[in-house]
Amino acid sequence: AQTVTQSQPEMSVQEAETVTLSCTYDTSESDYYLFWYKQPPSRQMILVIRQEAYKQQNATENRFSVNFQKAAKSFSLKISDSQLGDAAMYFCAYRKTDSWGKLQFGAGTQVVVTP
Amino acid sequence: DAGVTQSPTHLIKTRGQQVTLRCSPKSGHDTVSWYQQALGQGPQFIFQYYEEEERQRGNFPDRFSGHQFPNYSSELNVNALLLGDSALYLCASSLAASGVRRETQYFGPGTRLLVL
Repeated sequence: AQTVTQSQPEMSVQEAETVTLSCTYDTSESDYYLFWYKQPPSRQMILVIRQEAYKQQNATENRFSVNFQKAAKSFSLKISDSQLGDAAMYFCAYRKTDSWGKLQFGAGTQVVVTP
Repeated sequence: DAGVTQSPTHLIKTRGQQVTLRCSPKSGHDTVSWYQQALGQGPQFIFQYYEEEERQRGNFPDRFSGHQFPNYSSELNVNALLLGDSALYLCASSLAASGVRRETQYFGPGTRLLVL
């Protein structure tokens, strides 16, 4: 069974600074997807970034980037130049490539952005 | 372009009752997945519907059932409600025809269910 672990319940960052959220996962698969989703107080889950395991290059989306370490089964998210709008719960998620879409989520990390 | 919509936004039921939640997928999407998110936890996969059939199911009892209609919208039904069913129920849609490698799920705002 695959599990996703987020060990940081809460992270605080000042505006314009950088924060890194950690995520580890357990799998015996060689091909899979990893995602970071953001859930603001409005509750809607928003896709931040995705990584395909067969790609060695780390994914980047504007101020968001990941550090994907396949051998270590680690998938961290870096938020650069943090903005007040980045405040939300962030979830790491895993999906097998041949799955019909079953996402497995971690417990989440609350990001607090201070002015 | 309409995103994923869910109704109702909030719902209060009592133990033993039955509830139906509804989801309309993002325009152009044909696959709907349902998740249960208990307070302070990550979402848990309930099941997924494609071509009006349940394609995959998580570890949820048979009290949880669903349906997908020809227009791709979906319903989640929960019978004999328990206090522990209180949660945010999220619907996510995707496009299977884009291929397994490209499929990304887009979520709706959820339905908050409270069971008293």
